[in-house]
Amino acid sequence: EVQLVESGGGLVQPGGSLRLSCVVSGFTFSNYWMSWVRQAPGKGLEWLANIKQDGSEKYYVDSVKGRFTISRDNAKNSMYLQMNSLRAEDTAVYYCARDYGGNDYWGQGTRVTVSS
Amino acid sequence: QSALTQPASVSGSPGQSITISCTGTSSDVGGYNYVSWYQQHPGKVPKLMIYDVSNRPSGVSNRFSGSKSGNTASLTISGLQAEDEADYYCSSYTSSSTWVFGGGTRLTVL
Repeated sequence: EVQLVESGGGLVQPGGSLRLSCVVSGFTFSNYWMSWVRQAPGKGLEWLANIKQDGSEKYYVDSVKGRFTISRDNAKNSMYLQMNSLRAEDTAVYYCARDYGGNDYWGQGTRVTVSS
Repeated sequence: QSALTQPASVSGSPGQSITISCTGTSSDVGGYNYVSWYQQHPGKVPKLMIYDVSNRPSGVSNRFSGSKSGNTASLTISGLQAEDEADYYCSSYTSSSTWVFGGGTRLTVL
């Protein structure tokens, strides 16, 4: 059974940092591009970033470029999102997702709240 | 990287067909056959319904179909059922090697 489990969310002050993790099981992690997608409260989905199988290519939406860094560790079946200089507008549920014909598997999400 | 344009809401009666549009540009929807559609029930995780414009993942009902013409993609749901009531999002690959979602469409089954 394919599973993606995010962790690392929480309450952080504006300007602070968080590192999200996504641990996967049930498929060969190293064979797939992976993505982070977020959803602010009551809002739509926003694609944030993705990373190639070997980590050699990474792409970001403009709104997080320079602040967020996506990475992966294939030996640990894990993907990460380092989030710096957080703003109130980064408050959202953050999902990791597998890239295959769109995003075919999603985690349950981890909630990030940026507030003083 | 502007969001794709979807109608905020659509509605239909059980048994009817509805279509949700997703309009982009030649740099995203019109330029690639990489359009996906997702269904999201309240408080739930998005579910992939259509990929690569018109392909259904295993397990998705054949009442769901996708198409594209120019810069506009469409999701059609036939034989509308109560459980189809949800939010629907389109997504497209872009010329910047990124992906972009639409703003979402709330489907109400009357």
